[in-house]
Amino acid sequence: DTAVSQTPKYLVTQMGNDKSIKCEQNLGHDTMYWYKQDSKKFLKIMFSYNNKELIINETVPNRFSPKSPDKAHLNLHINSLELGDSAVYFCASSQMGRSGELFFGEGSRLTVL
Amino acid sequence: DQQVKQNSPSLSVQEGRISILNCDYTNSMFDYFLWYKKYPAEGPTFLISISSIKDKNEDGRFTVFLNKSAKHLSLHIVPSQPGDSAVYFCAASAGLAGGGADGLTFGKGTHLIIQP
Repeated sequence: DTAVSQTPKYLVTQMGNDKSIKCEQNLGHDTMYWYKQDSKKFLKIMFSYNNKELIINETVPNRFSPKSPDKAHLNLHINSLELGDSAVYFCASSQMGRSGELFFGEGSRLTVL
Repeated sequence: DQQVKQNSPSLSVQEGRISILNCDYTNSMFDYFLWYKKYPAEGPTFLISISSIKDKNEDGRFTVFLNKSAKHLSLHIVPSQPGDSAVYFCAASAGLAGGGADGLTFGKGTHLIIQP
């Protein structure tokens, strides 16, 4: 029974396409995040959502848009994919006040050709 | 600009010995520090944390030490076991008094290899 699940796990697509990665958590957490792990292995935060409100939006291109239909889901939509978007994208969740303990999904490896 | 630095990309330790993973940070606002462990093709999993009001936190074989004046923390694993072979990420957060919604700043990770 996976706590944080994301789909698809692997995604290969052409430049210019639009794609989405879905994330769901069944932990009852109130905050969800998207992190990007690039080729240099850095894990960098992209977005977080708390109670359907965007709290953080780091300097990511506006081609990336998070969508949260409810507290248990935070999907990542990417328009006009570029080669540099190739990375592993991790979804995570946490409970406010739990001192930063994030629960991560398994990651979605995006390859843009 | 790396605010959390793990300068050792990899570390090899013999089974049964102590593993020491190091982490340095530059942001004085960080007040909560965590270690995450990651196996290949899996997401990072929380291992242990420490608040800036403490200098040591212990959980079984894992102990985290914090030296605020040096802006340095370390993770000790003793005794090291083969299952400990993984990538270990150091992470930090600022202003957690109001909750954890600001996310974490991660280091690049250290690949720990436990030799049998």
